Amino acid sequence: DVKVTQSSRYLVKRTGEKVFLECVQDMDHENMFWYRQDPGLGLRLIYFSYDVKMKEKGDIPEGYSVSREKKERFSLILESASTNQTSMYLCASSESAGTGGGNTIYFGEGSWLTVV
Amino acid sequence: DAKTTQPNSMESNEEEPVHLPCNHSTISGTDYIHWYRQLPSQGPEYVIHGLTSNVNNRMASLAIAEDRKSSTLILHRATLRDAAVYYCILRAYLNSGGSNYKLTFGKGTLLTVNP
Repeated sequence: DVKVTQSSRYLVKRTGEKVFLECVQDMDHENMFWYRQDPGLGLRLIYFSYDVKMKEKGDIPEGYSVSREKKERFSLILESASTNQTSMYLCASSESAGTGGGNTIYFGEGSWLTVV
Repeated sequence: DAKTTQPNSMESNEEEPVHLPCNHSTISGTDYIHWYRQLPSQGPEYVIHGLTSNVNNRMASLAIAEDRKSSTLILHRATLRDAAVYYCILRAYLNSGGSNYKLTFGKGTLLTVNP
C-alpha cells in the first residue's frame, strides 16, 4: 500500500517560531502537495511540487515556503508562525498525469498545528 | 480554475441509495472529474474518477452529464461507514503537455447516514 507519512500528528508552537512539517512518501511519486484544512473552508492548496527542487504556489502560499531536496520528501516551512496558521495540514502525493486521468492522490493522516 | 458546486450537506438512511450532485459548469475539455471522501480525523481518500462516460467501481458509481457540466456520485447502499465529507474535484492540467496537474478541493458535501 502507498504510504504518506507526516512526521508529527500534533504540534504546539509559539508565535514567531520557525516550524517544519515533514512529509515522506514511499511510492516514488513525482507529485507532492501540501494543503491546509480549516472548518468551513475545506481543503486549500498551499504549495505543490512535481519534481525534485521544483515548487509551485498553490492558492494560499503566503507565510509558507517548501523544500523538496529528495523525491520522497516534501517539507512545509512556516518561517515565522502566526496564530492564523493554526490549522490541520495535509500532505499528499501522486504519480505524474500520464494518460487515463486517474493518478490517485494519496493523503497522509494530517498534522494538527496550534500556534499560541 | 474551473470550480465545482456541491450542497453543504445531505442525509440518507442506511441501506438506501445516495445520489450526491456536483455542478461544474466551467469545466474544460481536458478536466477529469474526481471524487474523494474524508472520514472523520483522516486524510481524504480516492473514490472514483471519470472524463465523459459513466464509471463504476467497488465503492461507487459516477454518472456524468452529456454536456459534462454536472455529475453525480452514487452510493448504491449507504452504510454508516459511508458517513463522510465528499469532495467533487476537477483535475486541471498545469501545462499544455499535460504531465502536471493539481486538484483544487471545495468545501464538499457532509453526508450523514441514519441507522
